[in-house]
Amino acid sequence: AQSVAQPEDQVNVAEGNPLTVKCTYSVSGNPYLFWYVQYPNRGLQFLLKYITGDNLVKGSYGFEAEFNKSQTSFHLKKPSALVSDSALYFCAVRARAGNMLTFGGGTRLMVKP
Amino acid sequence: DTGVSQDPRHKITKRGQNVTFRCDPISEHNRLYWYRQTLGQGPEFLTYFQNEAQLEKSRLLSDRFSAERPKGSFSTLEIQRTEQGDSAMYLCASSLPRRLGETQYFGPGTRLLVL
Repeated sequence: AQSVAQPEDQVNVAEGNPLTVKCTYSVSGNPYLFWYVQYPNRGLQFLLKYITGDNLVKGSYGFEAEFNKSQTSFHLKKPSALVSDSALYFCAVRARAGNMLTFGGGTRLMVKP
Repeated sequence: DTGVSQDPRHKITKRGQNVTFRCDPISEHNRLYWYRQTLGQGPEFLTYFQNEAQLEKSRLLSDRFSAERPKGSFSTLEIQRTEQGDSAMYLCASSLPRRLGETQYFGPGTRLLVL
């Protein structure tokens, strides 16, 4: 069975500071990993994904994520947070042989001016 | 707008009634997924279609739930004899098969409230 853990329910950061949203996963074999963002009363918006190759993945709106196989982690990062980044962030994993995404419980990011 | 669309966006119903939701995927996407998201949780997989074939179903999809994609384009998700526990956001996603790591693109969701 595959699973995702997002250990922080909420992350608070000041505007302009770097941010990190943590994600660890469990899956058989090599994973596909994804980050999505959800704004209030909206669906999920794709940010970035890791498929293979370079462990540092760059995505939309200045976000990036680092795949660490030994630590089974895929933390989301951004060098300088914006107030508009405040939203709910979901990490998801997919086994290479499967089709379904398994999501973590989500982390609420609050960026204060 | 060429994204995934879902209708209705909100549905309030009484316990025991049947409800049906519609999803229109991105036009060239032949894979379609349904997920359910309850308050404070991440989405949970319900079922998956490739073209008109329903290839995978979660054990979350009880016999009161049925999904169809009759012509391989839009899909419907029906819940019969709704229960208060069915209250959730129902999300649809679509994707185009890739050799490696296709991306699922989500619609805005249908929020269901069962009274």
